[in-house]
Amino acid sequence: DGGITQSPKYLFRKEGQNVTLSCEQNLNHDAMYWYRQDPGQGLRLIYYSQIVNDFQKGDIAEGYSVSREKKESFPLTVTSAQKNPTAFYLCASAGTGDASAGNTIYFGEGSWLTVV
Amino acid sequence: QKEVEQDPGPLSVPEGAIVSLNCTYSNSAFQYFMWYRQYSRKGPELLMYTYSSGNKEDGRFTAQVDKSSKYISLFIRDSQPSDSATYLCAMRGPGGTSYGKLTFGQGTILTVHP
Repeated sequence: DGGITQSPKYLFRKEGQNVTLSCEQNLNHDAMYWYRQDPGQGLRLIYYSQIVNDFQKGDIAEGYSVSREKKESFPLTVTSAQKNPTAFYLCASAGTGDASAGNTIYFGEGSWLTVV
Repeated sequence: QKEVEQDPGPLSVPEGAIVSLNCTYSNSAFQYFMWYRQYSRKGPELLMYTYSSGNKEDGRFTAQVDKSSKYISLFIRDSQPSDSATYLCAMRGPGGTSYGKLTFGQGTILTVHP
Protein backbone atom coordinates (compact mmCIF):
# COMPACT_ATOMS: atom_id res chain seq x y z
CA ASP A 1 0.00 0.00 0.00
CA GLY A 2 1.16 3.54 -0.70
CA GLY A 3 1.65 5.82 2.24
CA ILE A 4 3.88 7.14 4.97
CA THR A 5 5.33 4.81 7.57
CA GLN A 6 6.57 6.12 10.88
CA SER A 7 8.42 4.06 13.45
CA PRO A 8 8.47 3.36 16.26
CA LYS A 9 4.89 4.09 17.30
CA TYR A 10 5.90 4.50 20.94
CA LEU A 11 9.34 5.41 22.25
CA PHE A 12 10.68 6.10 25.70
CA ARG A 13 13.84 8.11 26.18
CA LYS A 14 15.94 8.80 29.18
CA GLU A 15 16.99 12.36 29.77
CA GLY A 16 20.26 13.16 28.03
CA GLN A 17 19.78 10.63 25.24
CA ASN A 18 19.33 11.27 21.55
CA VAL A 19 16.61 9.34 19.74
CA THR A 20 15.83 9.03 16.04
CA LEU A 21 12.32 8.72 14.60
CA SER A 22 11.98 7.08 11.23
CA CYS A 23 9.77 8.29 8.37
CA GLU A 24 9.52 6.50 5.02
CA GLN A 25 7.17 7.29 2.14
CA ASN A 26 6.49 5.44 -1.11
CA LEU A 27 4.32 8.15 -2.66
CA ASN A 28 7.18 9.52 -4.76
CA HIS A 29 6.72 12.90 -3.08
CA ASP A 30 9.50 15.44 -3.26
CA ALA A 31 8.66 17.31 -0.07
CA MET A 32 8.65 15.91 3.45
CA TYR A 33 7.88 17.51 6.79
CA TRP A 34 8.08 16.93 10.52
CA TYR A 35 5.46 18.36 12.85
CA ARG A 36 5.15 18.22 16.59
CA GLN A 37 1.77 18.07 18.33
CA ASP A 38 1.19 19.02 21.95
CA PRO A 39 -2.19 19.09 23.69
CA GLY A 40 -4.04 22.30 22.98
CA GLN A 41 -1.41 23.65 20.58
CA GLY A 42 -2.21 22.05 17.26
CA LEU A 43 0.70 21.08 15.02
CA ARG A 44 3.94 23.02 14.80
CA LEU A 45 6.50 22.65 12.03
CA ILE A 46 9.95 21.39 13.06
CA TYR A 47 11.82 20.86 9.78
CA TYR A 48 10.97 20.40 6.14
CA SER A 49 12.75 19.24 3.01
CA GLN A 50 11.75 20.01 -0.55
CA ILE A 51 14.44 17.94 -2.29
CA VAL A 52 17.07 15.38 -1.45
CA ASN A 53 20.11 16.70 0.42
CA ASP A 54 18.33 19.92 1.33
CA PHE A 55 16.23 20.85 4.36
CA GLN A 56 15.05 23.98 6.14
CA LYS A 57 14.21 24.86 9.73
CA GLY A 58 10.59 25.28 10.65
CA ASP A 59 9.15 27.22 13.55
CA ILE A 60 10.55 25.07 16.38
CA ALA A 61 13.78 23.50 15.08
CA GLU A 62 15.90 23.99 18.21
CA GLY A 63 16.98 20.67 19.71
CA TYR A 64 16.15 18.69 16.56
CA SER A 65 18.12 17.56 13.52
CA VAL A 66 17.20 15.87 10.24
CA SER A 67 18.77 14.39 7.14
CA ARG A 68 17.45 13.77 3.64
CA GLU A 69 19.84 11.39 1.91
CA LYS A 70 17.09 9.59 0.02
CA LYS A 71 13.83 10.81 -1.47
CA GLU A 72 11.86 8.21 0.46
CA SER A 73 13.33 8.86 3.89
CA PHE A 74 13.38 11.81 6.29
CA PRO A 75 14.49 10.77 9.79
CA LEU A 76 14.20 13.13 12.75
CA THR A 77 16.65 13.08 15.65
CA VAL A 78 15.49 14.49 18.94
CA THR A 79 18.65 15.55 20.71
CA SER A 80 19.36 15.97 24.39
CA ALA A 81 19.25 19.73 23.77
CA GLN A 82 15.48 19.60 23.27
CA LYS A 83 14.14 20.70 26.64
CA ASN A 84 10.60 19.33 26.37
CA PRO A 85 10.70 16.43 23.95
CA THR A 86 7.64 14.54 25.20
CA ALA A 87 5.12 14.93 22.36
CA PHE A 88 3.40 13.30 19.41
CA TYR A 89 5.55 13.59 16.26
CA LEU A 90 3.99 13.55 12.82
CA CYS A 91 5.72 13.12 9.50
CA ALA A 92 4.06 14.35 6.31
CA SER A 93 4.79 14.43 2.62
CA ALA A 94 3.48 16.47 -0.26
CA GLY A 95 3.55 16.25 -4.02
CA THR A 96 4.64 19.27 -5.97
CA GLY A 97 3.11 18.67 -9.35
CA ASP A 98 -0.16 20.64 -9.17
CA ALA A 99 0.12 24.21 -7.96
CA SER A 100 -3.58 24.45 -7.18
CA ALA A 101 -3.93 21.19 -5.30
CA GLY A 102 -3.95 21.63 -1.57
CA ASN A 103 -5.01 18.03 -1.13
CA THR A 104 -1.65 16.39 -1.68
CA ILE A 105 -0.48 16.55 1.93
CA TYR A 106 -0.42 13.18 3.64
CA PHE A 107 0.40 12.41 7.25
CA GLY A 108 1.83 9.31 8.82
CA GLU A 109 0.31 7.70 11.90
CA GLY A 110 2.70 9.45 14.25
CA SER A 111 5.25 8.51 16.89
CA TRP A 112 4.74 9.06 20.61
CA LEU A 113 7.91 10.06 22.42
CA THR A 114 8.02 10.08 26.21
CA VAL A 115 10.98 11.18 28.29
CA VAL A 116 11.34 9.16 31.48
CA GLN B 1 -1.41 36.54 19.17
CA LYS B 2 -1.45 33.26 17.24
CA GLU B 3 -1.83 33.40 13.48
CA VAL B 4 -4.71 30.93 13.63
CA GLU B 5 -7.20 30.74 16.48
CA GLN B 6 -9.55 27.82 16.99
CA ASP B 7 -11.87 27.20 19.93
CA PRO B 8 -10.55 23.99 21.52
CA GLY B 9 -13.94 23.04 22.92
CA PRO B 10 -14.65 20.35 23.90
CA LEU B 11 -17.89 20.29 21.96
CA SER B 12 -20.52 17.68 22.78
CA VAL B 13 -23.64 17.25 20.64
CA PRO B 14 -26.39 14.65 20.22
CA GLU B 15 -26.46 12.42 17.18
CA GLY B 16 -28.13 14.12 14.22
CA ALA B 17 -27.17 17.66 15.27
CA ILE B 18 -25.57 20.20 12.98
CA VAL B 19 -22.05 20.99 14.11
CA SER B 20 -20.26 24.26 13.38
CA LEU B 21 -16.49 24.47 13.77
CA ASN B 22 -14.66 27.74 13.25
CA CYS B 23 -11.25 29.33 12.90
CA THR B 24 -10.09 32.90 12.62
CA TYR B 25 -6.75 33.98 11.27
CA SER B 26 -4.66 37.10 11.02
CA ASN B 27 -2.37 36.50 8.03
CA SER B 28 -4.02 37.94 4.92
CA ALA B 29 -1.57 35.99 2.73
CA PHE B 30 -3.31 32.69 3.49
CA GLN B 31 -5.08 31.42 0.38
CA TYR B 32 -5.47 27.67 0.87
CA PHE B 33 -7.65 26.40 3.69
CA MET B 34 -8.02 22.85 4.93
CA TRP B 35 -9.88 20.90 7.56
CA TYR B 36 -8.36 17.75 8.98
CA ARG B 37 -9.96 15.11 11.18
CA GLN B 38 -7.82 13.35 13.73
CA TYR B 39 -8.91 10.32 15.70
CA SER B 40 -7.24 9.61 19.00
CA ARG B 41 -3.57 8.65 18.64
CA LYS B 42 -3.74 8.74 14.84
CA GLY B 43 -2.38 11.00 12.14
CA PRO B 44 -4.66 13.73 10.72
CA GLU B 45 -6.63 12.95 7.57
CA LEU B 46 -7.71 15.61 5.11
CA LEU B 47 -11.47 16.26 5.07
CA MET B 48 -11.94 19.39 3.03
CA TYR B 49 -9.81 21.76 1.02
CA THR B 50 -10.84 25.21 -0.22
CA TYR B 51 -8.98 27.76 -2.27
CA SER B 52 -9.69 31.43 -1.49
CA SER B 53 -13.21 32.50 -0.50
CA GLY B 54 -16.36 30.50 -1.05
CA ASN B 55 -18.18 27.33 -0.10
CA LYS B 56 -17.42 23.70 -0.80
CA GLU B 57 -19.68 20.77 -0.04
CA ASP B 58 -18.83 17.09 0.24
CA GLY B 59 -21.56 14.85 1.53
CA ARG B 60 -22.42 15.90 5.08
CA PHE B 61 -19.53 18.35 5.23
CA THR B 62 -19.51 21.98 4.08
CA ALA B 63 -16.49 24.25 4.27
CA GLN B 64 -16.85 28.02 4.10
CA VAL B 65 -14.14 30.64 3.73
CA ASP B 66 -14.69 34.37 4.21
CA LYS B 67 -11.38 36.05 3.46
CA SER B 68 -12.76 39.53 4.10
CA SER B 69 -13.46 38.54 7.70
CA LYS B 70 -10.52 36.12 7.93
CA TYR B 71 -12.91 33.44 9.11
CA ILE B 72 -13.38 29.83 8.05
CA SER B 73 -15.99 27.29 9.08
CA LEU B 74 -16.73 23.60 8.78
CA PHE B 75 -20.32 22.43 9.08
CA ILE B 76 -21.23 18.80 9.72
CA ARG B 77 -24.84 17.85 9.04
CA ASP B 78 -26.57 14.85 10.58
CA SER B 79 -23.61 14.24 12.87
CA GLN B 80 -22.78 10.66 13.76
CA PRO B 81 -20.91 9.10 16.70
CA SER B 82 -18.19 8.17 14.20
CA ASP B 83 -17.60 11.92 13.68
CA SER B 84 -16.23 12.11 17.23
CA ALA B 85 -12.65 13.28 16.78
CA THR B 86 -10.44 16.34 16.91
CA TYR B 87 -10.93 18.72 14.00
CA LEU B 88 -8.00 20.86 12.93
CA CYS B 89 -8.13 23.83 10.61
CA ALA B 90 -4.99 24.53 8.60
CA MET B 91 -3.98 27.10 6.05
CA ARG B 92 -1.09 28.28 3.94
CA GLY B 93 -0.07 31.06 1.63
CA PRO B 94 0.58 30.95 -2.10
CA GLY B 95 3.68 30.20 -4.03
CA GLY B 96 6.47 27.70 -4.17
CA THR B 97 6.13 23.99 -3.74
CA SER B 98 5.88 23.85 0.05
CA TYR B 99 2.39 22.45 0.21
CA GLY B 100 3.05 21.00 3.63
CA LYS B 101 4.06 24.25 5.34
CA LEU B 102 0.75 24.64 7.02
CA THR B 103 -0.26 26.78 9.97
CA PHE B 104 -2.68 24.90 12.20
CA GLY B 105 -5.33 25.87 14.68
CA GLN B 106 -5.28 24.24 18.11
CA GLY B 107 -7.95 21.72 17.18
CA THR B 108 -11.54 21.31 18.44
CA ILE B 109 -12.47 18.11 20.25
CA LEU B 110 -15.91 16.95 19.13
CA THR B 111 -18.00 14.24 20.75
CA VAL B 112 -21.25 13.08 19.16
CA HIS B 113 -23.26 10.99 21.59
CA PRO B 114 -26.00 8.55 20.55
